[in-house]
Amino acid sequence: KAGVTQTPRYLIKTRGQQVTLSCSPISGHRSVSWYQQTPGQGLQFLFEYFSETQRNKGNFPGRFSGRQFSNSRSEMNVSTLELGDSALYLCASSLAGGGLQETQYFGPGTRLLVL
Amino acid sequence: AQSVAQPEDQVNVAEGNPLTVKCTYSVSGNPYLFWYVQYPNRGLQFLLKYITGDNLVKGSYGFEAEFNKSQTSFHLKKPSALVSDSALYFCAVRDWGRMNYGGSQGNLIFGKGTKLSVKP
Repeated sequence: KAGVTQTPRYLIKTRGQQVTLSCSPISGHRSVSWYQQTPGQGLQFLFEYFSETQRNKGNFPGRFSGRQFSNSRSEMNVSTLELGDSALYLCASSLAGGGLQETQYFGPGTRLLVL
Repeated sequence: AQSVAQPEDQVNVAEGNPLTVKCTYSVSGNPYLFWYVQYPNRGLQFLLKYITGDNLVKGSYGFEAEFNKSQTSFHLKKPSALVSDSALYFCAVRDWGRMNYGGSQGNLIFGKGTKLSVKP
């Protein structure tokens, strides 16, 4: 079974631009979560989607948004990019049928560099 | 609020020796604890988790973790370290505060990570 895939793997943007990242979960998984990883802040939760609905959201500004499609694929958008948005963005999927004990499986990440 | 602490930024071990990567947690309910490993320029890989039951949890690649409720710890261990174990290790706990809809996945709260270096 294929793992979580993320595209693109690497991205370079300039300040003020916007960017869209894509995540395809493991087949059969219905929950997709997004995390930002930076050297200074570590791993931080962005948001989680289930059945095309955002169920949880972390403490990030409104410039960060996402959506989930009927096939469970998810996209994350960042508008008006800032230098501090440079990070590794990780997507994780889980079955979403059993609650907190379920394991999240991570994709390889998209490394975003904002110049 | 839930939190996780990894008190060591780096752990150095000689190949063949046992290794321990420390993790302590603070949760308001029952803890759901996880260990992940991250190799350079890669995503996170699941190692093991503690939900309930035996305090000693066995996971991937020969790793195990010991849950200690009285010390609120969940240390990762391996009897004999390999050079290939060198990586960044993260302890994580589920955020009960984000539980909703009777089964929300919520989010994972991660520790800062511990860099494990195994020398030949």
